[in-house]
Amino acid sequence: AQSVTQPDIHITVSEGASLELRCNYSYGATPYLFWYVQSPGQGLQLLLKYFSGDTLVQGIKGFEAEFKRSQSSFNLRKPSVHWSDAAEYFCAVGEENSGYALNFGKGTSLLVTP
Amino acid sequence: DAGVIQSPRHEVTEMGQEVTLRCKPISGHDYLFWYRQTMMRGLELLIYFNNNVPIDDSGMPEDRFSAKMPNASFSTLKIQPSEPRDSAVYFCASTLYPAGYEQYFGPGTRLTVT
Repeated sequence: AQSVTQPDIHITVSEGASLELRCNYSYGATPYLFWYVQSPGQGLQLLLKYFSGDTLVQGIKGFEAEFKRSQSSFNLRKPSVHWSDAAEYFCAVGEENSGYALNFGKGTSLLVTP
Repeated sequence: DAGVIQSPRHEVTEMGQEVTLRCKPISGHDYLFWYRQTMMRGLELLIYFNNNVPIDDSGMPEDRFSAKMPNASFSTLKIQPSEPRDSAVYFCASTLYPAGYEQYFGPGTRLTVT
């Protein structure tokens, strides 16, 4: 069955520290991969996406993610976290034959400490 | 563009009442998605439309839920009768195939059924 797993429910990092949020997927074909961010009470905003080509993709707000086919992973990274990055982060996977409807992971809640 | 518009932003209703959630997608987008977000189940796809036609409603939880898209600029999600377990945040999203595949999310409707 198709699935998206975000192993970490909560992560706490200090401001200025590096960040890596994990995402693993289980799909038959090559999926389309996304990271979204949700601030409290807000909708979802796209951070970055991967369809093909360079496996390291750059997104907004200084985020990047790397697609590793051999590990079925698409981890999100940021070299230096800002307090404003505190939010809920969702990894999502879509497939062409499902109309690009997204299958979301359960999310990782990021807390940034001073 | 104003983005995806959802109304109402908050809805409180009593069990057994009919609830109608509304969505206006971004002009020109040909796909529309309805998602539900709960603490227990995360973000779930309920139904999606392509060119106003429902393509996949396998995520609709019960017959109490129905969705329509009478034209390209308007969609509704109706729950009749509502139950307390329907309490959730309901998101509408739209996209234009194949331009980027990014789904643009509305701010959501927070539904509380008492």
